[in-house]
Amino acid sequence: EIVMTQSPATLSVSPGERATLSCRASQSVSSKLAWYQQKPGQAPRLLIYGASTRATGIPARFSGSGSGTEFTLTISSLQSEDFAVYYCQQYDNWRTFGHGTKVEIK
Amino acid sequence: EVQVVESGGGLVQPGGSLRLSCAASGFTLSNDWMSWVRQAPGKGLEFVANIKQDGSHQNYVDSVKGRFTISRDNAKNSLYLQMNSLRGDDTAVYYCSTDRYGGAFEIWGQGTMVIVSS
Repeated sequence: EIVMTQSPATLSVSPGERATLSCRASQSVSSKLAWYQQKPGQAPRLLIYGASTRATGIPARFSGSGSGTEFTLTISSLQSEDFAVYYCQQYDNWRTFGHGTKVEIK
Repeated sequence: EVQVVESGGGLVQPGGSLRLSCAASGFTLSNDWMSWVRQAPGKGLEFVANIKQDGSHQNYVDSVKGRFTISRDNAKNSLYLQMNSLRGDDTAVYYCSTDRYGGAFEIWGQGTMVIVSS
């Protein structure tokens, strides 16, 4: 099983600042990597697939990069609605999720 | 509006059974692989099972193999998850989702809660 490790577990950021979230795979997943946002009591929302392609309706302030084993989700200027938990997920071999990064207000 | 709506969750005793349903609207379910993803209370996401567009192929996480069965009825635009021999660690919110782009989950429902407890 491919293990996905996200860091940090919690990220404290001020509104308007840049947030950088990391995701590492235990073996190469090529570019088969997705990012999701989840707010309390809500279902996850797909943000990025193919490591860098924004899903439909996702604002341009969200961007994804990386390939192989190292991936990054960047939120260029945090808005109030962006404070949430973010998960990465690989789909190169089965489908496994990271444990999430909570982005909280500093 | 494109959406999926799950139903069928509830409280069940260990060893019991439940059948979850997922109704799709606003899109043609037969075009997509479909999946069930679960989330235990306060925990992360776990892929449970998926099924090919025509129902000819299914995949399951090891922990549910032999106990859960995923199926679909494209004529009814619906997806199902039959859960037997339920255990406490099956307690979770179960989400139905489209499985697109080779394995990313795009359309999610609000989930249905399954609680396995005596």
